[in-house]
Amino acid sequence: GAVVSQHPSWVICKSGTSVKIECRSLDFQATTMFWYRQFPKQSLMLMATSNEGSKATYEQGVEKDKFLINHASLTLSTLTVTSAHPEDSSFYICSAPGGQGYEQYFGPGTRLTVT
Amino acid sequence: GQQVMQIPQYQHVQEGEDFTTYCNSSTTLSNIQWYKQRPGGHPVFLIQLVKSGEVKKQKRLTFQFGEAKKNSSLHITATQTTDVGTYFCAGRGSGYSTLTFGKGTMLLVSP
Repeated sequence: GAVVSQHPSWVICKSGTSVKIECRSLDFQATTMFWYRQFPKQSLMLMATSNEGSKATYEQGVEKDKFLINHASLTLSTLTVTSAHPEDSSFYICSAPGGQGYEQYFGPGTRLTVT
Repeated sequence: GQQVMQIPQYQHVQEGEDFTTYCNSSTTLSNIQWYKQRPGGHPVFLIQLVKSGEVKKQKRLTFQFGEAKKNSSLHITATQTTDVGTYFCAGRGSGYSTLTFGKGTMLLVSP
């Protein structure tokens, strides 16, 4: 099946610094990728839709200047959390449609802790 | 906006018992998907339902899509410890390109 990887799997950073998270589709191309945020024991909250070659589409309430998304190629999307604060600590997961085109293949997630 | 509600939030069963989780949308859906997330893992796609009244089975799992395409259910027969995890439904509304996830139902199975 389709495989999506994320890097890093976990990161600890200090307040005020920026962190970049990579999402790669390993054996298929993805013109669209999705970025989610998940709090402990809670559901997936869609943050933005990453579009290859164009600007990302952000969900209501998500600051586009804080969560920078770049979809530079058909296999790579990056999420940069700028000027991180402790409240940005969360589990960030990306997904890409694969297979039949409708199911989402999720990456393993990135655990971000801001101190 | 579109809301997808899922109940129960949590269920603890004995191995061999059945389990059902229900999903309800505030709007009519074009399709609904189900995912399973094991503890510490990431969501894994299980199935998509598209047609009104559709029923699909995967071994011990039975998925239903309501006639009005606003609700869905996942039923597990004779649960096993390997069924432990959180089950999410995710609905896609007409004209929307993104999925809205329910809050999930966490299933714990005791041997």
